Amino acid sequence: EAGVAQSPRYKIIEKRQSVAFWCNPISGHATLYWYQQILGQGPKLLIQFQNNGVVDDSQLPKDRFSAERLKGVDSTLKIQPAKLEDSAVYLCASSLDVQAPRLFFGEGSRLTVL
Amino acid sequence: SQQGEEDPQALSIQEGENATMNCSYKTSINNLQWYRQNSGRGLVHLILIRSNEREKHSGRLRVTLDTSKKSSSLLITASRAADTASYFCATDYPDKLIFGTGTRLQVFP
Repeated sequence: EAGVAQSPRYKIIEKRQSVAFWCNPISGHATLYWYQQILGQGPKLLIQFQNNGVVDDSQLPKDRFSAERLKGVDSTLKIQPAKLEDSAVYLCASSLDVQAPRLFFGEGSRLTVL
Repeated sequence: SQQGEEDPQALSIQEGENATMNCSYKTSINNLQWYRQNSGRGLVHLILIRSNEREKHSGRLRVTLDTSKKSSSLLITASRAADTASYFCATDYPDKLIFGTGTRLQVFP
């Protein structure tokens, strides 16, 4: 069974530039999550999708972050414009559905903002 | 804010020793999970314990849950160098998974 795929693995940009991360969840998983993990901290939930609808985006900085889930499958997380404090690993995870709590994570996309 | 906090923040032991890490959380939960994260990698699910369970085992892992104290512990027995990683507890809150701050475990050969 293929796991959660994320790209790119690494990205370096300058502040005020934009960046986009892509995630392909495990086939058949209805729920998709984007987490932000700053070095030395636990993952922080940014946004949660159930199929292509948003379940929770209360901690997504909506002035600069946006996310969409196309046709309930792939998802893209965009940051525009980036700030220094956005330097982090962006983890995508999926689960069968919101009632099935076990999450499967991708390897993450490491963003460095200079 | 983080729902859970792990203790200790860092732990160093020798191979063969047992490692115990604790997690405290703030609100009522339906279940609690533990995940492992190797350096530079994604998180991997280890074990889930439901609020009506007090103890659960999986291989060398033993998890306990005390809902009256809002705490859980993860015990890794007979540790190996390959157990070196960060360990996170996660609680449902209620329909989203909130992770703790993590314990960094170093196992020396």
